[in-house]
Amino acid sequence: DAGVIQSPRHEVTEMGQEVTLRCKPISGHDYLFWYRQTMMRGLELLIYFNNNVPIDDSGMPEDRFSAKMPNASFSTLKIQPSEPRDSAVYFCASSEGLAGADTQYFGPGTRLTVL
Amino acid sequence: QKEVEQDPGPLSVPEGAIVSLNCTYSNSAFQYFMWYRQYSRKGPELLMYTYSSGNKEDGRFTAQVDKSSKYISLFIRDSQPSDSATYLCAMRYGGFKTIFGAGTRLFVKA
Repeated sequence: DAGVIQSPRHEVTEMGQEVTLRCKPISGHDYLFWYRQTMMRGLELLIYFNNNVPIDDSGMPEDRFSAKMPNASFSTLKIQPSEPRDSAVYFCASSEGLAGADTQYFGPGTRLTVL
Repeated sequence: QKEVEQDPGPLSVPEGAIVSLNCTYSNSAFQYFMWYRQYSRKGPELLMYTYSSGNKEDGRFTAQVDKSSKYISLFIRDSQPSDSATYLCAMRYGGFKTIFGAGTRLFVKA
């Protein structure tokens, strides 16, 4: 398997623009996670899905953020409108489950810069 | 107070040194304890996993969990420049989301 795939790898946009980040999880994994990583706040869980259904979105910072998982092989994280404080690295991860031995596999991340 | 506390460092050591990385936590319900390693501009990857208290060894790496003190450690023996990375502790209880520490940046100098 190719692992978790994210696109784009880098995104530079201007404040107020819509940004869409994409993720393809590992085939057969039932859980998908979106994280944001910054120097100040570390790795923060934004939202996670189980079998394409959002389970916990308490980490989504504002209504400007939304995430969807239309099928088992694709998810998007959208920011509209974007702001400079959204600049961070966004990671997608997937796992088989939430049991103790289940490992989260992370993608390479999308580095977002909002000017 | 954060559920998981981890000193962000950076920690700089000479090659061959023993490295000790630590995290403390507040939620006594945590049962599963992990260490992830993250190289620059990469995603985190699982390094070690421990259930409940005790030690686990894998090559040059040893993970320790002390639930009575709510304290976990990762030891790296004979550290190598290739060990230079950010190390994130992580923990959860069954069926719940994983909570990550802030990560400690480690530099091993040749």
